[in-house]
Order: sequence, then C-alpha cells, then structure tokens
Amino acid sequence: GQNIDQPTEMTATEGAIVQINCTYQTSGFNGLFWYQQHAGEAPTFLSYNVLDGLEEKGRFSSFLSRSKGYSYLLLKELQMKDSASYLCAVLDSNYQLIWGAGTKLIIKP
Amino acid sequence: GAVVSQHPSWVICKSGTSVKIECRSLDFQATTMFWYRQFPKQSLMLMATSNEGSKATYEQGVEKDKFLINHASLTLSTLTVTSAHPEDSSFYICSARDLGLAGDTGELFFGEGSRLTVL
Repeated sequence: GQNIDQPTEMTATEGAIVQINCTYQTSGFNGLFWYQQHAGEAPTFLSYNVLDGLEEKGRFSSFLSRSKGYSYLLLKELQMKDSASYLCAVLDSNYQLIWGAGTKLIIKP
Repeated sequence: GAVVSQHPSWVICKSGTSVKIECRSLDFQATTMFWYRQFPKQSLMLMATSNEGSKATYEQGVEKDKFLINHASLTLSTLTVTSAHPEDSSFYICSARDLGLAGDTGELFFGEGSRLTVL
C-alpha cells in the first residue's frame, strides 16, 4: 500500500531551526509537496520537489532524496506565526496526491 | 497564484437537513476539482474527484448518495451533504489545479474551507 510517515508533533523555540522529516512509499513518484495549515484554515502551498536536492525559499527549505524515499522541510529563524501543521504529500504515478497525517509544530517563546 | 473560493465558511444545520457548499475557481478554469474532509487533528481525506460535465469519482467508503457532487461549469463545483447527521460535522475543503499555470505538476490551490456543524 501507499504510505507517508511524518512525526505527529514537534516543539521548537522562537528563533531556532527545526527540521520536519517525511518518508514515503508510493506507487510511482511525480513530486513531493509541503503544505502549511493553520488551525481551522485550508492548507497553503510551501514547496514542490521532484528532483533530488535542496530547494531554498526564504526561511523555508525543502530537501528530497528519491532513492531513500525521504524529504524534509527546514524552517529557520522560527517565528510564533510558524506554529501550524505541516503536511507532506506525494504525487503518485496516477497523479493522485497521497497525504501524510501532518506534523503539528509548536513554537515556544 | 490561482484563487479558489469556497462558500459558506461556516454552517450550522439541524440533523436531517441538507447543506450545499460551493467551490469556485475565480481566475482560472478547473476541469477537475477535489473535495476533502478533515476531522479535528487529522489529515485531509480525499472524498471525491469532481469532473466537469461528468460524474464525480468517489473514494472508497464515501457514500455517493449522501455527498452529492455537481460540477456544472469549469469554475464551479458543489458538494451537497444530504440528510446531515452530527457525525458529518467536519471541515470540508475543495481544491483545484490550474493546469495553465502549473502544467501537470499537480499543485493544488485550496478554498478557504467550510466548517459544518450538524446539531
């Protein structure tokens, strides 16, 4: 079956750096997405990786290793507003998005 | 980026009534829209894929007679929860792909979500 694993919850300190990992086992691969979702709101797009390596976008970076079925989202200079759930999703061979359960990130002052 | 608008944002209804939720792509045409349901502290669960001009494709375990989907135009899909019950209370979210903008990368643009509470 298809499976996406990410930690349920993480805690970090304001101003610090946090890495949220995602491992996946899917039927085919056409890219991996990271979305941010604040409580009670719809997800918003953060990043898309289809090739191996690191994609940097401001304070957020996303890394992909297709051979390992592994990705991470790196958040730097954490701000209180970064407290949210971070969803990892993989586009499989049928271009269907397979979603992880999300990682709730708690930022403490 | 592309904009998807969902209405209403909040709805409270009595058990046994039907509720309609609209999803509109405001600045692009969407031949395909997706409807998700999200229970508290859980991830998005795809309910169905809405196809313009044809029947929706439902995921396993989703009752098609209970969750009616109509995709009458390239910019509008509706989800009707028929004979709603308290267990249908959830956060319903729609999304669409802007193939003109994102090609076939699958990037989804989400509506704001509709929180349904059935009393």
